[in-house]
Amino acid sequence: GAVVSQHPSRVICKSGTSVKIECRSLDFQATTMFWYRQFPKQSLMLMATSNEGSKATYEQGVEKDKFLINHASLTLSTLTVTSAHPEDSSFYICSARESRTVYGYTFGSGTRLTVV
Amino acid sequence: DAKTTQPPSMDCAEGRAANLPCNHSTISGNEYVYWYRQIHSQGPQYIIHGLKNNETNEMASLIITEDRKSSTLILPHATLRDTAVYYCIVRIYNQGGKLIFGQGTELSVKP
Repeated sequence: GAVVSQHPSRVICKSGTSVKIECRSLDFQATTMFWYRQFPKQSLMLMATSNEGSKATYEQGVEKDKFLINHASLTLSTLTVTSAHPEDSSFYICSARESRTVYGYTFGSGTRLTVV
Repeated sequence: DAKTTQPPSMDCAEGRAANLPCNHSTISGNEYVYWYRQIHSQGPQYIIHGLKNNETNEMASLIITEDRKSSTLILPHATLRDTAVYYCIVRIYNQGGKLIFGQGTELSVKP
């Protein structure tokens, strides 16, 4: 089946620095990828939808200048958390939309970001 | 906003069937119902999806009411490894097909 690789799985960074998270579709081309964040004991919250070669569409309340999304190729989307603060500490998960499976949405394993 | 409501938690005895309900009263005719589950600190795992007919695969069965306003996920023989948060999701048809997660049901399978 379709596989989505997300890297790194865990990252600790200092407040004020930027962190990049990568999401790769390993055996298929993903024209659309989604980025979610999840706080402890809460559900996944959709942050943005990224389409290859175009600007991402952000959900209401998500700061696009803080969460930079790049989807430059059909197999790679990146999320950069700029000027990270402790309140940005969260579990970030990507998902790729694909046509190889009947269900069409494959999720990465997530990235645990801790800002100290 | 999510178009689904689920009970926050449920218990099930190991080996018994787990029946997880979901309400989606505002679902549109062309919107699919998806079920995913999430084991702690992992990405969501696909279980099953459907439009209006009942569906079955190797993991579970999905029963959708005739009016499509609710559905039930059935795990026929729950095991301890089925302990997870189960999300019922309505795929938003006219917004790029994005999946908006609700609060989910935390299923605890007990020995």
